[in-house]
Amino acid sequence: QVQLVESGGGVVQPGGSLRLSCAASGFTFSSYGMNWVRQAPGKGLEWVAFIRYDGSNKYYADSVKGRFIISRDNSKNTLYLQMNSLRAEDTAVYYCAKDSTGGNWGYYFDYWGQGTLVTVSS
Amino acid sequence: EIVLTQSPGTLSLSPGERATLSCRASQSVSSSYLAWYQQKPGQAPRLFMYGAYNRATGIPDRFSGSGSGTDFTLTISRLEPEDFGVYYCQQYGSSPITFGQGTRLEIK
Repeated sequence: QVQLVESGGGVVQPGGSLRLSCAASGFTFSSYGMNWVRQAPGKGLEWVAFIRYDGSNKYYADSVKGRFIISRDNSKNTLYLQMNSLRAEDTAVYYCAKDSTGGNWGYYFDYWGQGTLVTVSS
Repeated sequence: EIVLTQSPGTLSLSPGERATLSCRASQSVSSSYLAWYQQKPGQAPRLFMYGAYNRATGIPDRFSGSGSGTDFTLTISRLEPEDFGVYYCQQYGSSPITFGQGTRLEIK
C-alpha cells in the first residue's frame, strides 16, 4: 500500500532554515509528480510546490517562491522541501502528497502523508 | 489565480439526511479539473472525487459530484456517521493549484 512519511518538522526562529523529507513506498516513486501542501493551524489547505517525476519541472506558490526549494532523490524514494528565510506565517503542518499522474503539472492528489508540523517562532 | 468559494461554511445535518456542498470558482475551471477531499480532525485530507464527478477508490456511491465551468456540487445522498468532517474542493486546471476554504459537515 502507498505510504508517505514526512519528517524534519520542528521549531525554528524567524529567518531560519529547515529541511523536510518525505519517504515514499508502495508505488513507483520515480513515475509520479509530488507536491507539498500546508495547513496553518485551524486554517484551510494551501498548495506549496510541485516537482515532476524526473525533477525537471518545479513550480511554487508565490508565497514561498525564492525561499523554498523542492527536490527529490528517486534512488532513495524521497521528496524534500528546503525552507529558507522562514517567517511566522510559514507555521503550518506540511503534507507531502502524491500526484495522480506523471505529467508536467500537478493534478489531484491521491495519497497524502500524515504531515509534519513546522513552527516559526522566536 | 482561481479563487474557490465554498458554501455553506458549516452544514449541520442528521444521519440519513441529504447533504449538498457547493464550490464556486472565480473563473471557469478548465476540463472540469475539480477535486473534493475530506479531512477529519488530526488526519490528512483524503481524496473523494476528481474530474468533478469521478469517485476515488473506495468511496461509496452515496457520494456524487456534478457541475462544470464555475459551479460544482458534492452531494451525499444519505449521510452516515463517518461522513462528517471538513470537505475541501480543489481546482487543478490552472496555475496555481488552489483550494476552497472548506465546508464543515457536522452532526446535528
